[in-house]
Amino acid sequence: GEKVEQHESTLSVREGDSAVINCTYTDTASSYFPWYKQEAGKGLHFVIDIRSNVDRKQSQRLIVLLDKKAKRFSLHITATQPEDSAIYFCAAGNNYAQGLTFGLGTRVSVFP
Amino acid sequence: DMKVTQMPRYLIKRMGENVLLECGQDMSHETMYWYRQDPGLGLQLIYISYDVDSNSEGDIPKGYRVSRKKREHFSLILDSAKTNQTSVYFCASRNSGNTLYFGEGSRLIVV
Repeated sequence: GEKVEQHESTLSVREGDSAVINCTYTDTASSYFPWYKQEAGKGLHFVIDIRSNVDRKQSQRLIVLLDKKAKRFSLHITATQPEDSAIYFCAAGNNYAQGLTFGLGTRVSVFP
Repeated sequence: DMKVTQMPRYLIKRMGENVLLECGQDMSHETMYWYRQDPGLGLQLIYISYDVDSNSEGDIPKGYRVSRKKREHFSLILDSAKTNQTSVYFCASRNSGNTLYFGEGSRLIVV
């Protein structure tokens, strides 16, 4: 089955700088790559996704890049703000009926 | 209101007791999931439900069963809870664009 590796377990960034989280996946059939954010004591909340027919997607301060050849995708949080501090999960999937495979999460801390 | 509600939020049970975790959604989503989240293991898929009475095992179904008698409700049942089932359990529903909506989680401690 699919395996997703999230390369950074923690990330500390200065407010205003960019944070980059990298993930790799194993199943070439995966075609859908969402990102979720989890704040302390809460459930996961969808932030952005990318599908395999594009290699870049932007939503406000969030940019997702996809390199299908390398089976790698990344989340770029630009102009970070204190409210960006949370745990971010990448995920991959293809057969949506089987659900998503999640990475282990990256704890992002934005300091002043 | 696009909400997934989990009850109870916190639960302490003795080993061997039965546990019922309930999940409701108000979006009429057909597909729902139960995951558990453990430190170092991330989110692991327990069960999937495609609609009423149409359920499928996920990656770690052993020790769990589910029930879905109405589209808006999806229950996770632990018959005879074990200490290694201490975890945070998340329910999610999926919209037509494949976005998952998660509940706030149910923290279960089995002693």
